[in-house]
Amino acid sequence: GENVEQHPSTLSVQEGDSAVIKCTYSDSASNYFPWYKQELGKGPQLIIDIRSNVGEKKDQRIAVTLNKTAKHFSLHITETQPEDSAVYFCAAIVNDYKLSFGAGTTVTVRA
Amino acid sequence: DTAVSQTPKYLVTQMGNDKSIKCEQNLGHDTMYWYKQDSKKFLKIMFSYNNKELIINETVPNRFSPKSPDKAHLNLHINSLELGDSAVYFCASSASYSGRSEQYFGPGTRLTVT
Repeated sequence: GENVEQHPSTLSVQEGDSAVIKCTYSDSASNYFPWYKQELGKGPQLIIDIRSNVGEKKDQRIAVTLNKTAKHFSLHITETQPEDSAVYFCAAIVNDYKLSFGAGTTVTVRA
Repeated sequence: DTAVSQTPKYLVTQMGNDKSIKCEQNLGHDTMYWYKQDSKKFLKIMFSYNNKELIINETVPNRFSPKSPDKAHLNLHINSLELGDSAVYFCASSASYSGRSEQYFGPGTRLTVT
């Protein structure tokens, strides 16, 4: 099955700086890569996703890049704000249904 | 206007008991899921139903039995609860008929087995 590795496990950044989270996947057939943000006591919230036919996607301060050859994808958050503090999960999907998640990155934005 | 809802939000029970968690989605999706999040925050899929048919059944003890009475509901029944079942359980849904893979999660049910 698909195996997704995520780094780092924790990330502390100064407000206004950028944050980068990296993930690798094992199954070259994976074709959909979502990112989720989970705030304390809440369910994961889809924040951005990318499909295997696209190399980069941006939505305001958030961007995701995908390198199919190297089988890795990354989340970039620019101009971080305190409300960006949360646990972020990357995931990959091979068929239409089964998401495999990374272990999560706890992001702390220092004011 | 909640999209994916779960009840209860918290569930505290003793070992050996049987309990159920309910999930409902009003997004018109045809696929629903149960995920388990352990104490280290790791998310792992347990089950998935598409149009009330079981399509994913991961290595989950037989004590866990999902039931989907219709496309908008997916319940999880757990028999003979064990300490190791303590976790947060998330329901999610997606619209496979549109060729879209986005899954939307509910707020979770924190199960504590004492």
